[in-house]
Amino acid sequence: AAGVIQSPRHLIKEKRETATLKCYPIPRHDTVYWYQQGPGQDPQFLISFYEKMQSDKGSIPDRFSAQQFSDYHSELNMSSLELGDSALYFCASSLGTEKLFFGSGTQLSVL
Amino acid sequence: EDQVTQSPEALRLQEGESSSLNCSYTVSGLRGLFWYRQDPGKGPEFLFTLYSAGEEKEKERLKATLTKKESFLHITAPKPEDSATYLCAVRGTGTASKLTFGTGTRLQVTL
Repeated sequence: AAGVIQSPRHLIKEKRETATLKCYPIPRHDTVYWYQQGPGQDPQFLISFYEKMQSDKGSIPDRFSAQQFSDYHSELNMSSLELGDSALYFCASSLGTEKLFFGSGTQLSVL
Repeated sequence: EDQVTQSPEALRLQEGESSSLNCSYTVSGLRGLFWYRQDPGKGPEFLFTLYSAGEEKEKERLKATLTKKESFLHITAPKPEDSATYLCAVRGTGTASKLTFGTGTRLQVTL
């Protein structure tokens, strides 16, 4: 069965650089979520989209932005990266308010 | 704001030694309580969804139960392959569809 696909798997950036994370949800899923997980911490909700419109917004810094495109894939854009942005970034998708399916994540390291 | 507290933070069991993990929650109208399993460096993997007090779900050695204030994940005769972090999450009526996670219980099962 198709799963949530995230790219890249690993990303290394310098401080103040920009990063773009991509997510391809499970086909026919209408909601996409972005979560940030620091080492040993719980996944923190960033933002979600339902049918390409923002539906929920969490603790997403102003330096970050996200969007969902017409083909339902989503991108998380992160600018002016800081050391504290180093984390595992997960994308998840769901059909309505059913369970979330998570991707394997993008490990971002900011040096 | 939805809140989830899990205990214990870490649990070490011997193979075959049954135990329970606790998830206490505060939510403005529960629209679902979710249990996920997460292996290191991987995305959370869905286990169960519970919707109302008194509901129970089972899968192999795992059984999840729900009351109005907490949920338990019972692990019967665990095996080393059950070692993982178990995350609890809730969806409340104050959000569109996002899940709020607890910090998880790190379970280690030894021979």
